[in-house]
Amino acid sequence: DTGVSQNPRHKITKRGQNVTFRCDPISEHNRLYWYRQTLGQGPEFLTYFQNEAQLEKSRLLSDRFSAERPKGSFSTLEIQRTEQGDSAMYLCASSDSGGSSYNEQFFGPGTRLTVL
Amino acid sequence: GDSVTQMEGPVTLSEEAFLTINCTYTATGYPSLFWYVQYPGEGLQLLLKATKADDKGSNKGFEATYRKETTSFHLEKGSVQVSDSAVYFCALSHGPSGTYKYIFGTGTRLKVLA
Repeated sequence: DTGVSQNPRHKITKRGQNVTFRCDPISEHNRLYWYRQTLGQGPEFLTYFQNEAQLEKSRLLSDRFSAERPKGSFSTLEIQRTEQGDSAMYLCASSDSGGSSYNEQFFGPGTRLTVL
Repeated sequence: GDSVTQMEGPVTLSEEAFLTINCTYTATGYPSLFWYVQYPGEGLQLLLKATKADDKGSNKGFEATYRKETTSFHLEKGSVQVSDSAVYFCALSHGPSGTYKYIFGTGTRLKVLA
């Protein structure tokens, strides 16, 4: 395990369909984050897990979005009834909860979603 | 709310030129500050960090100093190389003193010409 992995890397779907993305964090990391990045912008925070508990959700995460991390390992992000505005790169990151005062997050390569 | 502002890109430089990418932030308290880099076709990678005022982060010839008085964390490199061409993101996080999420700037694209 050399890093954060995300699947699929690319997803093309039609408006109104549901999609699910998977993130596998670095194995010893107990924190997991989802971000969304649109063209020409920086990543925007969506949600954050510590172990299996979802501790924070952004207002960007509408009720069509749901994220889970059932056993505190991998996580899934589901988007229901996709809209063209959901087209973006979805990034996953993980970090540990060691005693350091900073919080280095390690990012996966992302899943690029295109909604037609 | 908290925010990060970066200089607009793209920045185009000749090899061996001096680089500065400006970053300023608005935040309560004392966040940690980061620079991440995204090379073409790759994921975000941490370049350097600073966790308190006057700290200097450095890596691969890049440096940035946490200036609380000017709420800035400008990225500098004395002599850029073609391989430095990438998008650079400034970010802040409150870590253990608050939420762990990152707040990113919009990114600055750097292109270095041989």
